[in-house]
Amino acid sequence: ETGVTQSPTHLIKTRGQQVTLRCSSQSGHNTVSWYQQALGQGPQFIFQYYREEENGRGNFPPRFSGLQFPNYSSELNVNALELDDSALYLCASSHRDRGDEQYFGPGTRLTVT
Amino acid sequence: SQKIEQNSEALNIQEGKTATLTCNYTNYSPAYLQWYRQDPGRGPVFLLLIRENEKEKRKERLKVTFDTTLKQSLFHITASQPADSATYLCALDGGSYIPTFGRGTSLIVHP
Repeated sequence: ETGVTQSPTHLIKTRGQQVTLRCSSQSGHNTVSWYQQALGQGPQFIFQYYREEENGRGNFPPRFSGLQFPNYSSELNVNALELDDSALYLCASSHRDRGDEQYFGPGTRLTVT
Repeated sequence: SQKIEQNSEALNIQEGKTATLTCNYTNYSPAYLQWYRQDPGRGPVFLLLIRENEKEKRKERLKVTFDTTLKQSLFHITASQPADSATYLCALDGGSYIPTFGRGTSLIVHP
C-alpha cells in the first residue's frame, strides 16, 4: 500500500454532468499528479500540482481542472462530461525535492453513460 | 513527436525463466527512466528508477538497463514466478518531474 487514497472507488455519471474526484497524498509528499487511463493504454498525464500551484498540464481541455490544498490533498473536477471521459483516474503523489518516483492511489473508475 | 514503445503483445514465459521486457523511445532525452507494475484495476506500483548516466540498476530479482545511444531500456525479472504476472509500464522524464508513460506490456508467467 502506498498511503495514497482516492475517493470514490467507482462512479457512474450521465453525459453533461460534472464530477469531482478526490485524492489524499502520501504523508510528506508535496506534489500530486492526475492521470487518465483508458483500457489497454498507459496513464495519460492530465496535470500536476506542486505546493498548491499548477506545475504542468497535459493535452486535456479546460473542462478538466484541479486544486491542491495546503495539506497536499487534491481534487480533479471534470465539467460537461463526455462518453470518452470514461476511464480509470489515477492520482499520484511524490516529493519533488527527493526524487521522481510516483506513488499511485488505487484509482477512481468513472463511467459516463 | 515523442514516442515511447512497449510491446503490445503479451509475453508468455515459464516459471523459473528470465522475463525481459523492452522499452524503446524516440525524440526524447530522458533524465530518468522508471518501471512500474500494474495489476488489473489497480494503480501502478513503482519498481525501479534509473538515471541517464547509469547503465544498470538492480533490486532483488529485478534488473534494468538503460542505453541512451540505442534509446532503449530493458527490464529483466529473473527466476520468474506466477505472482509476477502483471502489466509492466515504463515511464520517461526529461527532468520536469512529469513522467510520460508507455502503454505497458503484459507478462504472463505459467506454472
